[in-house]
Amino acid sequence: GDSVTQMEGPVTLSEEAFLTINCTYTATGYPSLFWYVQYPGEGLQLLLKATKADDKGSNKGFEATYRKETTSFHLEKGSVQVSDSAVYFCALSSKGTGNQFYFGTGTSLTVIP
Amino acid sequence: SQTIHQWPATLVQPVGSPLSLECTVEGTSNPNLYWYRQAAGRGLQLLFYSVGIGQISSEVPQNLSASRPQDRQFILSSKKLLLSDSGFYLCAWSVPGVSNQPQHFGDGTRLSIL
Repeated sequence: GDSVTQMEGPVTLSEEAFLTINCTYTATGYPSLFWYVQYPGEGLQLLLKATKADDKGSNKGFEATYRKETTSFHLEKGSVQVSDSAVYFCALSSKGTGNQFYFGTGTSLTVIP
Repeated sequence: SQTIHQWPATLVQPVGSPLSLECTVEGTSNPNLYWYRQAAGRGLQLLFYSVGIGQISSEVPQNLSASRPQDRQFILSSKKLLLSDSGFYLCAWSVPGVSNQPQHFGDGTRLSIL
């Protein structure tokens, strides 16, 4: 079945460091891919998405490219800030009853000044 | 624009007591609706989803149940809470029939069982 594998955390970076959070997926057909961010005590917020191969999603300095050949959707940011400290979830959506979403286990990021 | 509301934000309940969490969506019709649970420091566990009024699919057998009495209302219930029901409960909605649209989440309910 469809699934998402996300790099284990926690990740701790200094401010202005480069961020990569790895995400790979398994899916039949052509899923859409998403990154969500969850700040402490809050729900998940959509960060970015890509709906077909080679699409690049971007938002707030974060980017991720839908790579069909490597079945990956890695999240990157060139210079992280303390305010980026949160848990990040990779997810995919495939067609079918109920538009099932499959989430990774989440990666906790802490950025220190 | 569409909005999703969940309440209460926090809840402390004794073991064996009943539960009712409510979620409503505004600004859209016939959404797909979802209930998730998130244990502390863990990922998301899909509990129930619904594609229409009265249509509920359960992903995990347990002492929880869900109902959808109205198009944009989704309720999570239990007759007798267990300690293991503690967690962060999230409601979400999505546009039906299309896979390239995201799920949109409420702010969650923090449930503590004593």
